[in-house]
Amino acid sequence: AQSVTQLGSHVSVSEGALVLLRCNYSSSVPPYLFWYVQYPNQGLQLLLKYTTGATLVKGINGFEAEFKKSETSFHLTKPSAHMSDAAEYFCAVSGGGGNKLTFGTGTQLKVEL
Amino acid sequence: GAVVSQHPSRVICKSGTSVKIECRSLDFQATTMFWYRQFPKQSLMLMATSNEGSKATYEQGVEKDKFLINHASLTLSTLTVTSAHPEDSSFYICSASRGGIDTQYFGPGTRLTVL
Repeated sequence: AQSVTQLGSHVSVSEGALVLLRCNYSSSVPPYLFWYVQYPNQGLQLLLKYTTGATLVKGINGFEAEFKKSETSFHLTKPSAHMSDAAEYFCAVSGGGGNKLTFGTGTQLKVEL
Repeated sequence: GAVVSQHPSRVICKSGTSVKIECRSLDFQATTMFWYRQFPKQSLMLMATSNEGSKATYEQGVEKDKFLINHASLTLSTLTVTSAHPEDSSFYICSASRGGIDTQYFGPGTRLTVL
């Protein structure tokens, strides 16, 4: 069984500030981990993913995430927030055969001037 | 690459009618397609997984006779909501992958409103 916990349903940052969105997972097998972004009334866009290899993963739009097995975490960061980053962010995990995804409950990121 | 489309983007129907939603992979062959449902300000809930040429596998609690899924080709899957009721109103999102452990690529979603 797999599960994902995203701490903080709403995160607010100032433009130019560090973005940190937290994700912890539970998996009985080596996980594949994903971050997706969703803009209003749209589908999900893949930001980045971790499968194997390097634990620091770089994605689109300046985002990156680090897989920390000891902490069962996959937090998403961006050094400097931009207004266009305001959206809903979902962390997801898959594993154990096939690629069925289990999503977290999402974090709404607000970027203020 | 890896573009997935959905049609229609929005649909309004009367209670008791059926609605079909199409999901297409435009530039790759999708061995596996997934259908999700998303309620306002909530996460995505997987409804079913379909493999081309096979019957869909439904998640627990999803009525297979109400949500008919067909995956007749490697680029097209359809979800038909039969005898729709207001409680079926939701945002339906599909995703497609090449199978195995490949990344899922998501469609833009379909907003269904049942009056």
